[in-house]
Amino acid sequence: DAGVIQSPRHEVTEMGQEVTLRCKPISGHDYLFWYRQTMMRGLELLIYFNNNVPIDDSGMPEDRFSAKMPNASFSTLKIQPSEPRDSAVYFCASNERGASYNEQFFGPGTRLTVL
Amino acid sequence: GQNIDQPTEMTATEGAIVQINCTYQTSGFNGLFWYQQHAGEAPTFLSYNVLDGLEEKGRFSSFLSRSKGYSYLLLKELQMKDSASYLCAVRDLLNSGYALNFGKGTSLLVTP
Repeated sequence: DAGVIQSPRHEVTEMGQEVTLRCKPISGHDYLFWYRQTMMRGLELLIYFNNNVPIDDSGMPEDRFSAKMPNASFSTLKIQPSEPRDSAVYFCASNERGASYNEQFFGPGTRLTVL
Repeated sequence: GQNIDQPTEMTATEGAIVQINCTYQTSGFNGLFWYQQHAGEAPTFLSYNVLDGLEEKGRFSSFLSRSKGYSYLLLKELQMKDSASYLCAVRDLLNSGYALNFGKGTSLLVTP
């Protein structure tokens, strides 16, 4: 399997612009997670889905952030409008409930810079 | 991460043994994970503990004491490539469901 796929790998944008991050989970995995990593706050959960349904979005910073999962093989995280404080690495992860360790597999991340 | 504490930095010598500690507080404990993250890369899974005791996996071992809210990751025969950040993460079903709560990571530097 190709693993979790994220695009783009790097994104540089200006404050106020819309940003869309994309994720393809590992085939057969029924959980998908979006995390954000910064030096100050570490790795934080934003939202996660089970069978394409959002389960917990309490980590989404504010209304500027939204996430969708229209099908089992695709999810998006959108920021509109973007702000400099949104600069971070955004990771998507997936896992299969019932697997031996229940570990999450992470994608390579999207490094977002908002100027 | 909330209520998950681990040292910020550690240094050790190639060939030596190092122990990275992690303490946590949860109300719905459902497993503790250790991940390794090299600079600029994604976290990768190292180990999982859900019952008390030691889990050994090659040069890496992880220990858990649920009553003490304590875990450690033990790295033996250190190699230069072990220089990375080590993240302790806890699954708390009551507060965050199936997601993981991560500590801020311990940056390990292995010196020659």
